[in-house]
Amino acid sequence: NAGVTQTPKFQVLKTGQSMTLQCAQDMNHEYMSWYRQDPGMGLRLIHYSVGAGITDQGEVPNGYNVSRSTTEDFPLRLLSAAPSQTSVYFCASKRDPRGEQFFGPGTRLTVL
Amino acid sequence: GENVEQHPSTLSVQEGDSAVIKCTYSDSASNYFPWYKQELGKRPQLIIDIRSNVGEKKDQRIAVTLNKTAKHFSLHITETQPEDSAVYFCAASINTGGFKTIFGAGTRLFVKA
Repeated sequence: NAGVTQTPKFQVLKTGQSMTLQCAQDMNHEYMSWYRQDPGMGLRLIHYSVGAGITDQGEVPNGYNVSRSTTEDFPLRLLSAAPSQTSVYFCASKRDPRGEQFFGPGTRLTVL
Repeated sequence: GENVEQHPSTLSVQEGDSAVIKCTYSDSASNYFPWYKQELGKRPQLIIDIRSNVGEKKDQRIAVTLNKTAKHFSLHITETQPEDSAVYFCAASINTGGFKTIFGAGTRLFVKA
């Protein structure tokens, strides 16, 4: 199993550009989440999903969109990138609501 | 919504000493409390977790305690080793809606040899 994979590993954007961060898992997990990690602020939940076709907002959803058309994939879209979105983004999945979350390797995004 | 506070933000101990990290949560509906360790440049990984029907759980040198009444839980690491140096995150999962997991801000632990 590859576990949770994320692409790209690094990305530089200009303000106003859009892009999609990809996340995929091959563990047949229903629950998936996107977090951003900033120094001193821990992991903040952006959006999460409890299964294909079902998504909901987390703590910091503004400026981001998600969709979940399949169990495996959970892409995160930045509609119009801003410097405040410079961060490391982690995707995670879990089988059970009260179970271990498996994180992807992260995407380091810089918005100029 | 749920809020998780974590203290201290930085902790420095001598090798062999114990380290304690404390967290509080705000939503009484939370019922699952995991702890993650993140080494520099790597992804967070689960080290121990506790469910709300349990007061304490131990796994070798690490233990977690939970006080539901006070809404706080703690991580205890005994006989610390240099390889324990990392950032530790507590988290709380809410048993409503989507079972989202909210993290604390993290504790950077330094173990001095």
